[in-house]
Amino acid sequence: AQSVTQLGSHVSVSEGALVLLRCNYSSSVPPYLFWYVQYPNQGLQLLLKYTSAATLVKGINGFEAEFKKSETSFHLTKPSAHMSDAAEYFCAVSDETARQLTFGSGTQLTVLP
Amino acid sequence: KAGVTQTPRYLIKTRGQQVTLSCSPISGHRSVSWYQQTPGQGLQFLFEYFSETQRNKGNFPGRFSGRQFSNSRSEMNVSTLELGDSALYLCASSLGSGADTQYFGPGTRLTVL
Repeated sequence: AQSVTQLGSHVSVSEGALVLLRCNYSSSVPPYLFWYVQYPNQGLQLLLKYTSAATLVKGINGFEAEFKKSETSFHLTKPSAHMSDAAEYFCAVSDETARQLTFGSGTQLTVLP
Repeated sequence: KAGVTQTPRYLIKTRGQQVTLSCSPISGHRSVSWYQQTPGQGLQFLFEYFSETQRNKGNFPGRFSGRQFSNSRSEMNVSTLELGDSALYLCASSLGSGADTQYFGPGTRLTVL
């Protein structure tokens, strides 16, 4: 069975500061890992994904994540937060057998002026 | 390409009624997955259809059912609605493998009174 743990249900950063959202996964088979963002009253938008190519993955809007197998982690970072980054972020895991997304509980990011 | 569309966007029903939600995937996508999002349980997988066949199912009661048509459009039905069924129902489409990105629609907000 797969699972995802997102540490910190709420994270606040100042505009221009580093954004770090944590995600740890559990999977018995090679995982595929995803980060999605959700703005109020909208669906989920893909930020980036890892599918066993490069371990450092670059996504949209300046976000990136690094797959660390030894730590079973896939943390999301952005060097400089912008007010428009305020949203809820979800880490998810899938694999070739399950094909469904198993989501973490989400992290609400607040960007302070 | 047009994105994933879901209709209706908002629904209000009373306990005991049934409801049907519709999802039109991105052109060329043969896989459609459904997820339920609630504040308490987060994002949970309901089921996935691929080429008109249910390929994967989550841990939901039999009141939740779905189907997929030959044009890949999908419907989800919930019978005998309960208050706890109030949620945002999200549909996602993809090409069908575990590594493929699932593209989400805006969701249908169901309120059960």
